[in-house]
Amino acid sequence: AQSVTQPDIHITVSEGASLELRCNYSYGATPYLFWYVQSPGQGLQLLLKYFSGDTLVQGIKGFEAEFKRSQSSFNLRKPSVHWSDAAEYFCAVSSYGGATNKLIFGTGTLLAVQP
Amino acid sequence: EAQVTQNPRYLITVTGKKLTVTCSQNMNHEYMSWYRQDPGLGLRQIYYSMNVEVTDKGDVPEGYKVSRKEKRNFPLILESPSPNQTSLYFCASSRGLSQITDTQYFGPGTRLTVL
Repeated sequence: AQSVTQPDIHITVSEGASLELRCNYSYGATPYLFWYVQSPGQGLQLLLKYFSGDTLVQGIKGFEAEFKRSQSSFNLRKPSVHWSDAAEYFCAVSSYGGATNKLIFGTGTLLAVQP
Repeated sequence: EAQVTQNPRYLITVTGKKLTVTCSQNMNHEYMSWYRQDPGLGLRQIYYSMNVEVTDKGDVPEGYKVSRKEKRNFPLILESPSPNQTSLYFCASSRGLSQITDTQYFGPGTRLTVL
């Protein structure tokens, strides 16, 4: 069965510092991978997605993620964090095809940004 | 503005009192779904709908009903709410089932408390 693990429940970084949020997936074939962000009181917004091709994916708000098949990982990175990046981040995986557009979400990583 | 709206945003109710959470999208999307978000569990799919009058169960459908009489609306019905349905609920929609081209858009969430 597909699953997603986000090992870090809570991370605190200083404004201007670099950020890496970890995501590991379990899936037999090549997965479709996503990162979503949930700001306080808001719905989820798609940051980026990976399907195939270049393993380094660029997203919105200056985020990027790298797919590493050998490590079953899809970590999210940002070189310099802004205070407005404080939010909860969810990694998700989806199966290819099928009759549902269902996403399997990780448990989320809550990011706090210190001034 | 393209959006998914949910009402109410917050609801406190008592066990056994039927309630409906509405979801509406203005993007003419075919596919809609409901998720619940619980601490430590991430988001889990409750029900989904591929088109008008076509609905199917997700991973955690027990205690919920849905209907899709119009393309834009996908209400979630709790016939007899119980405390274990206390959760944060998200409605999502997408143009179709392709994970490559059809991004899911999420509503702002409905926080439900069942006493």
